[in-house]
Amino acid sequence: SQQGEEDPQALSIQEGENATMNCSYKTSINNLQWYRQNSGRGLVHLILIRSNEREKHSGRLRVTLDTSKKSSSLLITASRAADTASYFCAPYSTSGSRLTFGEGTQLTVNP
Amino acid sequence: SQTIHQWPATLVQPVGSPLSLECTVEGTSNPNLYWYRQAAGRGLQLLFYSVGIGQISSEVPQNLSASRPQDRQFILSSKKLLLSDSGFYLCAWSATGHGSYEQYFGPGTRLTVT
Repeated sequence: SQQGEEDPQALSIQEGENATMNCSYKTSINNLQWYRQNSGRGLVHLILIRSNEREKHSGRLRVTLDTSKKSSSLLITASRAADTASYFCAPYSTSGSRLTFGEGTQLTVNP
Repeated sequence: SQTIHQWPATLVQPVGSPLSLECTVEGTSNPNLYWYRQAAGRGLQLLFYSVGIGQISSEVPQNLSASRPQDRQFILSSKKLLLSDSGFYLCAWSATGHGSYEQYFGPGTRLTVT
């Protein structure tokens, strides 16, 4: 399956700490995308990393991709209460021609 | 800039009643369009996607259907709702292509079938 699987399912940290979420997938990909969903809202695209990239940064976000291990990680540095949300990875491959989302990681940042 | 609208925001419908959810996109042409459903605390299930007017691909066989009567309008329908149709319905669009671009989501419709 092209679907990504996020780990852990839930993560609770204190404000100011770093949060790391992992994603594993099973097929070859063209890119992998991370999304955030606040409770009761639509998903928001955070970052896209292509299969030929190993690391990408966007503000307090750092994404890594290891295609040999078929895994990716999302690091949020200096977390804030406003980062509380569910985070989803979505691998994309041309053979599948669409994104598929995992169950997500529920991140809670305590003030 | 592009904007995606969904309505209604919430809906409570009895079992056996019809359904029509609408999604419209502004500020872009010929987008790929998607309907997802999300159960509480779960991931997204792709229901339908469309690469053009009248072109609908179904991912999950069930009592739901989708239509794309205009370039930037995507409608999700049912003739008779089931209890299992309850959930959070999300519409999304992406730029024309192979779907590899980022997707932009609407605010969602919370459907409760009673």
